[in-house]
Parts: sequence; C-alpha cells; structure tokens
Amino acid sequence: AQSVAQPEDQVNVAEGNPLTVKCTYSVSGNPYLFWYVQYPNRGLQFLLKYITGDNLVKGSYGFEAEFNKSQTSFHLKKPSALVSDSALYFCAASNFGNEKLTFGTGTRLTIIP
Amino acid sequence: DAGVIQSPRHEVTEMGQEVTLRCKPISGHNSLFWYRQTMMRGLELLIYFNNNVPIDDSGMPEDRFSAKMPNASFSTLKIQPSEPRDSAVYFCASSFGRANPYEQYFGPGTRLTVT
Repeated sequence: AQSVAQPEDQVNVAEGNPLTVKCTYSVSGNPYLFWYVQYPNRGLQFLLKYITGDNLVKGSYGFEAEFNKSQTSFHLKKPSALVSDSALYFCAASNFGNEKLTFGTGTRLTIIP
Repeated sequence: DAGVIQSPRHEVTEMGQEVTLRCKPISGHNSLFWYRQTMMRGLELLIYFNNNVPIDDSGMPEDRFSAKMPNASFSTLKIQPSEPRDSAVYFCASSFGRANPYEQYFGPGTRLTVT
C-alpha cells in the first residue's frame, strides 16, 4: 500500500528566509510525486510534480522540490519566503498505472513578517 | 477555462435529510474524483470515475453515500440520510490522464454542515 508522511503539522519561517516542507513516501515501483497548496476556503492547487528526469523540480510561485530516491523523500523548498506563501501544503504520491493519489496529512506553513 | 465547478458552495441541512452535491469537471478531462476533507481525517478519496465509469469506490464510507456520473460533464455525490458526522468539505477534482498523468485539478469545494 502507498503512504505519504508529512512529519511536521506546522512550520514557521521568517519572511525572506529559506523554507523547507518535508515529505517522505512509500510507493511500489517508480514514484510519481506531487505538491499541492491550499489557501483558506479554496480547493487544492497544483504546485509541481516529479515523474522522471532531473531530481530537482521547479514549479509555480518560485517553489521547487528535490526528489531523493535513497531517502524516499520529496521535500518542498523555496529560497526566500513571502508572507503570501502562508497556506496548507500537501504532498501526494502515486505510481505508473495508478490514477489515485495518496495524500499526506498536510503541513501548515506560516510566514512571519 | 472555468476550472472545476462545484455546487452548492455551502449546504446546511438537518440530520436525516438527503443531500446532493454537484460537480462539473474541466472540459476534456476523462477522470473525476470525489474527496472529503475534515480536520480529524484529513483528505480522503471517496470514489473516482474514468470515462464516466466508477473505478474505485472503496473510500465511500457506507451505503448512505452514492455517486453517479451520467455523462462526461456532470457528476453527483448523494448522501441519504445525512448525519452530523458527514459534516465536512467535499471536493471534486478532474484530470486528463493521457496528456498530464495524474495531475488533478480541484474545485472550490462544498462545505456541508449537518445539524
């Protein structure tokens, strides 16, 4: 069975500092990995995905994520945080032939001005 | 592109009443997903359709829940009878597997409150 873990319920970062939101996964075969963001009273918005290729994936709003196969991790990063980045972030995983996404429990990111 | 459309955005009903949530996926998408989000249980997949056919309904909580997709542009999720523990935000999402494998686009959600 697939699983996704987001070990931190809450992450606080000062504005302008780099941010990291952690995600680890357990998927059979080659993983497909995703990050979504949810703003208050909104649906989830796609940020970026890893299917194959370069381990560093760039996405929307200056976010990037690094796929690490040996550590089964897919951490979300941004070099300089903005207050507007404050939101709930979800990591998700799947694999070839499986349209179902398994979501993590979410990490609430708060950027402190 | 209008995105995924859900209605109503908010629904307040009394226990025992029937509730119907509606979803219009993005035109051209061939997969549709229904999710439920609560503080306690997080984001749960209830059911998903591919080409209007239900593929996996293992997440449907019990017989009180049913979902249909009569055509490519419309789906419903029905709860009958509703219970207070069904209170949650229900999301619909769609995807077009061939062009963008597994990238799902979410609607704004329906916030259901059962009193």
